[in-house]
Amino acid sequence: DTAVSQTPKYLVTQMGNDKSIKCEQNLGHDTMYWYKQDSKKFLKIMFSYNNKELIINETVPNRFSPKSPDKAHLNLHINSLELGDSAVYFCASSQDAGWGREQFFGPGTRLTVL
Amino acid sequence: QQQVKQSPQSLIVQKGGISIINCAYENTAFDYFPWYQQFPGKGPALLIAIRPDVSEKKEGRFTISFNKSAKQFSLHIMDSQPGDSATYFCAAEETSGSRLTFGEGTQLTVNP
Repeated sequence: DTAVSQTPKYLVTQMGNDKSIKCEQNLGHDTMYWYKQDSKKFLKIMFSYNNKELIINETVPNRFSPKSPDKAHLNLHINSLELGDSAVYFCASSQDAGWGREQFFGPGTRLTVL
Repeated sequence: QQQVKQSPQSLIVQKGGISIINCAYENTAFDYFPWYQQFPGKGPALLIAIRPDVSEKKEGRFTISFNKSAKQFSLHIMDSQPGDSATYFCAAEETSGSRLTFGEGTQLTVNP
């Protein structure tokens, strides 16, 4: 069983479109995250939810909107896609939002905007 | 402004050699320092982590050395193997928790 899963694995779309990426974790964790990994492999946190409540919201364009329907799911919706949004997006989860918690990452979604 | 600086960007080591990756930080509120390993096409996974109350932590062939006064920490991989070829990220977290700040990553290649 995959601990943290994401769909789709690959997403190719045109500029201006709206797309969503879904994430699910079966670890029973309380906290989930979205990270963006750019072409240079730099990893940067975008959002974090703890028990469905948004706790981290980095300086991300408001075209990006996370939604957590329940503790096990965290989805990312992106409006009006731009070329610069092309990246690999990783979902992750941790037991809770406490200090020193291991984060478990999903396999990533490679988004390509044409 | 990069809060955790990592070097080198890439590293090539022969099988059996020692791989050393270094990280430096400025934020004195950081007090948890994990290393994550990422294989191509996969998500990062926790490799080893250290808290600043110790200067060294060893797990198998992997060792973290921590120098609190210099605000530096490093990952040593002893007897490097081709299967260790991956991208390694250092990271840091404040006591307030939940937010990991990653270094830029080091692509390690271990030649057979």
